[in-house]
Amino acid sequence: GENVEQHPSTLSVQEGDSAVIKCTYSDSASNYFPWYKQELGKRPQLIIDIRSNVGEKKDQRIAVTLNKTAKHFSLHITETQPEDSAVYFCAAPVTGNQFYFGTGTSLTVIP
Amino acid sequence: DAGVTQSPTHLIKTRGQHVTLRCSPISGHKSVSWYQQVLGQGPQFIFQYYEKEERGRGNFPDRFSARQFPNYSSELNVNALLLGDSALYLCASSSASGRAHNEQFFGPGTRLTVL
Repeated sequence: GENVEQHPSTLSVQEGDSAVIKCTYSDSASNYFPWYKQELGKRPQLIIDIRSNVGEKKDQRIAVTLNKTAKHFSLHITETQPEDSAVYFCAAPVTGNQFYFGTGTSLTVIP
Repeated sequence: DAGVTQSPTHLIKTRGQHVTLRCSPISGHKSVSWYQQVLGQGPQFIFQYYEKEERGRGNFPDRFSARQFPNYSSELNVNALLLGDSALYLCASSSASGRAHNEQFFGPGTRLTVL
């Protein structure tokens, strides 16, 4: 069946260190992979996305890498700051127009 | 420009009742998707509508239905509410349909509590 697996479920890092979150997907036809940040009580906000015609995309301290052969993509946050603490979700389109979300990673950045 | 708006923000219902949730997409966006987010989990896809037609349906019972109006706003209806329907219901709008996916913009959500 369709699924997007996300690891780890929780992640604690010291301020200034890097954080990496990984997701795998099942539909080889998927071609767009967004990452969302959700703070407590708020809506998911897109922080970065990548299309299947590129292998990596960067936006300041945030980067996403995509391995289409292995069907996985990762979020990298460098020089983490306390305000990066939130729940992060990956998503992938599976069968048509349905987006499936991962189970989320709760990131805590320790000052 | 206004973002995606949803109403109401909070709602309390009892088991067996029905509920209607509303969403207005970003101006110019023709695609609206509905998601259910249970506390501690990721959003679960319920429906996608594009140009007033249903383009996708997630694994939800027939108690869930939706529609999109000519102005691209949308309603999500849930009948015969169960305790397990308590969740944050998110609406997302996008300018894309088909396989050419674009960014989805989420509304603030409607927090539904079923007692």
